[in-house]
Amino acid sequence: DTAVSQTPKYLVTQMGNDKSIKCEQNLGHDTMYWYKQDSKKFLKIMFSYNNKELIINETVPNRFSPKSPDKAHLNLHINSLELGDSAVYFCASSQGTGDYGYTFGSGTRLTVV
Amino acid sequence: AQSVTQPDIHITVSEGASLELRCNYSYGATPYLFWYVQSPGQGLQLLLKYFSGDTLVQGIKGFEAEFKRSQSSFNLRKPSVHWSDAAEYFCAVGANTNAGKSTFGDGTTLTVKP
Repeated sequence: DTAVSQTPKYLVTQMGNDKSIKCEQNLGHDTMYWYKQDSKKFLKIMFSYNNKELIINETVPNRFSPKSPDKAHLNLHINSLELGDSAVYFCASSQGTGDYGYTFGSGTRLTVV
Repeated sequence: AQSVTQPDIHITVSEGASLELRCNYSYGATPYLFWYVQSPGQGLQLLLKYFSGDTLVQGIKGFEAEFKRSQSSFNLRKPSVHWSDAAEYFCAVGANTNAGKSTFGDGTTLTVKP
C-alpha cells in the first residue's frame, strides 16, 4: 500500500491546455505539500495545506491552483500550460504543522510541448 | 531566511570506500536538519533527521550524520558504499515554527565505481 501516491506518473500535453495532478496519502498526516523539481533537480516548495487549509503559498503563477477536499488528498490544477511548466511535481506529506520530515510521492513528470 | 549549501555537485567513490557528503546551513534559530536520497525516476526518501540532542544521528541504509553547530554543518557519512547507493542526495533545513517548510540544497550526485 503506497503511502503517498500521485497520478499520473507521466503527463505530456500541449501548451495552453489545462491539466490536473492528484495526490493521496494514507499515513494520517495532517499536512500536505506540492514541490516542483526542475531540470537541474532544484526543489522548490509551491504550496502547503494543513487539514484542508492553505498555509504556504509561495510565489507561484496563479495558473496553479491547489485543492484539498480532505486532509488525505491534495490536487494540483494547472491552467494554460506553458513550456516552462515542464518539471517533475512532487507531492509530500508530514505530521503536524512543524517540519518533521516529509514522505514524498514518486512524482509526476509533466512535459509541455 | 534559511538556506542550505551542498558544496559538492558530484562525487565519485569506489564501491566499499567511505563516503562523506557535505552540507552547510544558515538559519537564525535551532534548525531541524534532514538528509534525503533520490534514486533515478523516484521520489525522495528521508534518510535521517536531526531535531535536538545527540549530535550524531543514525539513519536508514547504514547512513549517519553529525550536526556541528560551530561549523553550521550537517555532513552525511557512510563507512562503506554499495553500488546501490548511487543516487542524488539532498540536505534540507527546517524548523518547528516554519509551517513545515523545508528548504533544500541543490543536491549532490553520487556515482559509485565498481
